[in-house]
Amino acid sequence: QSALTQPASVSGSPGQSITISCTGTSSDVGYYNYVSWYQQHPGEAPKLMIYDFSKRPSGVSNRFSGSKSGNTASLTISGLQAEDEADYYCSSYTSSSTWVFGGGTKLTVL
Amino acid sequence: EVQLVESGGGLIQPGGSLRLSCAASGFTVNSNYMSWVRQAPGKGLEWVSVIYSGGGTYYADSVRGRFTISRDSSKNTLYLQMNSLRAEDTAVYYCARVYSDYLNFDYWGQGTLVTVSS
Repeated sequence: QSALTQPASVSGSPGQSITISCTGTSSDVGYYNYVSWYQQHPGEAPKLMIYDFSKRPSGVSNRFSGSKSGNTASLTISGLQAEDEADYYCSSYTSSSTWVFGGGTKLTVL
Repeated sequence: EVQLVESGGGLIQPGGSLRLSCAASGFTVNSNYMSWVRQAPGKGLEWVSVIYSGGGTYYADSVRGRFTISRDSSKNTLYLQMNSLRAEDTAVYYCARVYSDYLNFDYWGQGTLVTVSS
């Protein structure tokens, strides 16, 4: 149950786009499409942003999009806004009927 | 409206036991997959355990044999019994509902802090 690999930090200016990668194995990210992304602001609970690697829950801005290729999933945020500054985590269901999270990525809006 | 409210956290000595509760409203715990996720101070999210609607349970390697997930349909509440607690179990513990169609965590509680220290 090794954690998925995410960059520790990314940054971008308002209006720009950024992409956060999430690399796993053939037993998790590469096994199912059940990859999800969560946004967490300091002191708050995580919030679901993307599920089934590319679907957006109702109420989540269409500036957030997801993709997957092989063992790597990605979250792209376009038109960066100040309120997007947060920690982002990917998660995947695994072939062992468990879940695994990424180590988290801190997004800084410059 | 779906709500999850955790309770039961606190300061506990190493080797001790604690039971966390997660009271749900707006849906039926027994009919859903429910999970616990924890976050050590300043660290990332770590999946802990799941209970499926059919009653099956799974655990992370780090807690298997020490933690037990369960539920009470009459109280619509999820539990996490934690035994043989260690310093590394110190974390905010979140309960979360699992959306069974896509196996993601769609609703989260606000968390309860467990501190294991002498």
